[in-house]
Amino acid sequence: GDSVTQMEGPVTLSEEACLTINCTYTATGYPSLFWYVQYPGEGLQLLLKATKADDKGSNKGFEATYRKKTTSFHLEKGSVQVSDSAVYFCALQSFGNEKLTFGTGTRLTIIP
Amino acid sequence: DADVTQTPRNRITKTGKRIMLECSQTKGHDRMYWYRQDPGLGLRLIYYSFDVKDINKGEISDGYSVSRQAQAKFSLSLESAIPNQTALYFCATSSIGTEQFFGPGTRLTVL
Repeated sequence: GDSVTQMEGPVTLSEEACLTINCTYTATGYPSLFWYVQYPGEGLQLLLKATKADDKGSNKGFEATYRKKTTSFHLEKGSVQVSDSAVYFCALQSFGNEKLTFGTGTRLTIIP
Repeated sequence: DADVTQTPRNRITKTGKRIMLECSQTKGHDRMYWYRQDPGLGLRLIYYSFDVKDINKGEISDGYSVSRQAQAKFSLSLESAIPNQTALYFCATSSIGTEQFFGPGTRLTVL
């Protein structure tokens, strides 16, 4: 079945540091891939997505590239801010299936 | 105004009690979902509904039931709550071709 393996947290970085949160997946066919973000006390919001191999999703300075060969979708940001502190979830949606499969989440804390 | 609302936002109850969590949406979406979030486990799907007459079990439906009262309303019930149902519960909505939009969550504690 579908599964998502996500980098264990928590991750603590200083402001302006580079960020990478690893995500790999197992799925049949060609899934769509997502990163969701959960700010404290809120629900999940879609951060970015990619629907086919080599697509790059980007939003708010975050990027992730759909790598079919390595079945990965790592989240990156060149310079993080305190406001980026949140829990980040990698997720996939198999073609023809409306259900999302989530990773376990990575808590990111940025210190000034 | 929020597009997806959940009530209550917080609830503390006792083992054996019946609990209902409610979700409403103004996005006009036909698909609605209930997830639970546990530390270290991510989100897991409990039930989902593609329209008013369609209800489907997710990966962890035991101990839960749902009701789709209208296109905009989807309720989750715990008939007899137990402590391991203590979790954060999220409702989500979508339509064909859209992402899933999540509500703010309900924090449920079963003592």
